[in-house]
Parts: sequence; C-alpha cells; structure tokens
Amino acid sequence: AQRVTQPEKLLSVFKGAPVELKCNYSYSGSPELFWYVQYSRQRLQLLLRHISRESIKGFTADLNKGETSFHLKKPFAQEEDSAMYYCAPRVWGGYNKLIFGAGTRLAVHP
Amino acid sequence: EAGVAQSPRYKIIEKRQSVAFWCNPISGHATLYWYQQILGQGPKLLIQFQNNGVVDDSQLPKDRFSAERLKGVDSTLKIQPAKLEDSAVYLCASRRGGGQPTETQYFGPGTRLLVL
Repeated sequence: AQRVTQPEKLLSVFKGAPVELKCNYSYSGSPELFWYVQYSRQRLQLLLRHISRESIKGFTADLNKGETSFHLKKPFAQEEDSAMYYCAPRVWGGYNKLIFGAGTRLAVHP
Repeated sequence: EAGVAQSPRYKIIEKRQSVAFWCNPISGHATLYWYQQILGQGPKLLIQFQNNGVVDDSQLPKDRFSAERLKGVDSTLKIQPAKLEDSAVYLCASRRGGGQPTETQYFGPGTRLLVL
C-alpha cells in the first residue's frame, strides 16, 4: 500500500539555521511528489513539486528514488517559514489523487 | 480569481445528529475534492468529482457520509448520523482538470466540525 512518512512532528530551529524536513514514501512505480504548506490562519497551499525542480521561498526538494525520500531543505531558515509542512505523493494512475503525510510543524525562533 | 469557498466555518453538533457542508470551487474548475483532516493527521481524501461524476469515493464511509455535485459546480458533503470520531476539519479543494496531472489543487479554508 502507498504510504508516506514524515518522522518529525515538530522541528524547532533558530533563525538562520539550515532546515531539513524529512519525507519517506513507500510506493510502487514512478511517483510525483509535492510539498504543501499551511501558514497560521491560512489555507493549505502548494509549496513546490519535484517535477519542476524549482526553488520556492528558498526551499528545494530532491527526489531520491534509491532511498525513496523527498526531503525539503532550506539553507537559512526565516521566522516567516514557521508553518505546517505536508509531503504528498501523487498516486500513479489516479486522477491526481494525493496521499498526504501527517505533517511536520516547523518553528523558527528569533 | 476568487478562491474556494466553504461554509459554515465552524459547526458543533451532538452525536447522531446530521450535518451538511457546502463548497463552491474556483470558477471553471472541473475537479473537486473533499478531504477529512483529523487533528494531528494529514488530509485524507474522501471523495473526488470530475464535473458532476464521482471519480473516487473509496475512502468515503458510505453508511453515513454522502456527497453530491449535481450541476458540476458547487458541492455538499453530508454526515448522517454523526459519530464522535467524525470531529475533524473538512477541506474542499478544486483543480482546473483536464490538463497536466501536476496541476495545483486549491484548498478552501475548511469547516471545523466538533461532535459532542
């Protein structure tokens, strides 16, 4: 069965420190992966998708098929990065069906 | 463009009562999703519509949950009768559909349901 694991419920760092939010998936086939973010009192929104190989707000994520991971990274965290982050693989063959992880809360302290 | 609208924003009911949630997707979006997000968990897909047809309802508890999108625009999700474990945030999302699978899903603000 498809499964996505975000092992950390809370990640607490100081401003300027590097950040890595972990995501591991158990999945057959070639996945497409996304990171969604929810800032305080805002809606869940797309942060980035692996297929675009883009950097959004300084965040990047590399798909490692060998390790079945899709970790989200940022070299220097900012206070405004504090939010809930969800990793979400897309189920192959489905109608854009996403499987969300449990989420990691990132807290960036001044 | 206006975002996905949901109402009500909050609802408190007693167990065994009925409740309904409403969603209006972004104009022109063919695909509509309902998710359930229990505290401490990620959103779980309940049902997906493509226009007014159901594409996936494999995780919808059909003995108590129902959803419809009669005209292919707005949608309602109903719970009858509610159980304590239905306490959650119910999220509606929409996507333009018909294009690339990586198209973005846009989420509404959610309806927070508390069943006492």
